Amino acid sequence: SAVISQKPSRDICQRGTSLTIQCQVDSQVTMMFWYRQQPGQSLTLIATANQGSEATYESGFVIDKFPISRPNLTFSTLTVSNMSPEDSSIYLCSVSGDRGNEQFFGPGTRLTVL
Amino acid sequence: QKEVEQNSGPLSVPEGAIASLNCTYSDRGSQSFFWYRQYSGKSPELIMFIYSNGDKEDGRFTAQLNKASQYVSLLIRDSQPSDSATYLCAVMAGGSYIPTFGRGTSLIVHP
Repeated sequence: SAVISQKPSRDICQRGTSLTIQCQVDSQVTMMFWYRQQPGQSLTLIATANQGSEATYESGFVIDKFPISRPNLTFSTLTVSNMSPEDSSIYLCSVSGDRGNEQFFGPGTRLTVL
Repeated sequence: QKEVEQNSGPLSVPEGAIASLNCTYSDRGSQSFFWYRQYSGKSPELIMFIYSNGDKEDGRFTAQLNKASQYVSLLIRDSQPSDSATYLCAVMAGGSYIPTFGRGTSLIVHP
């Protein structure tokens, strides 16, 4: 499976500011995904990021709030904009495996908004 | 709406016992089934996947799938305290590349 890294691993931010989370993969992958996991909850898909096209957002998530970049096949960023305490969560990037079915997750970014 | 249901637990088993984790799903078109293990403060780690009815064994782990009953389970034999974690069930429909995750079952293996 691919080795996935995320930066930052955690951050504490003030309300109204924005944070950009980076996801780096050690091999080229077609599809990258961004998830949110709130305390005690399961994983919620924010968007799918494909290189060379606009990200596809799930219901309840919009580009103005969560802009995503995918400049190449090994890198993506997720920005959490105009943050509020409700955005406090763990943000995870993931990639599809070689078979295209299973997903592998990065270590996550733990965000706290005050 | 596709749903994946898991008992949140915690499921508490003694060391050396068999832990049985269950998951039901609503979408009959589901074709791929996954179990992830998530330690506290860590990200999910894929431990098993199964596509066909029946059992699939990998070391101490056995995944069981019954598509007619829309039921998938994970058995952990000879449970160890290091198996204590939350186990997430994920289900994917045929032709999809996005799984639906359950809320997870917390497993506690006590010495």
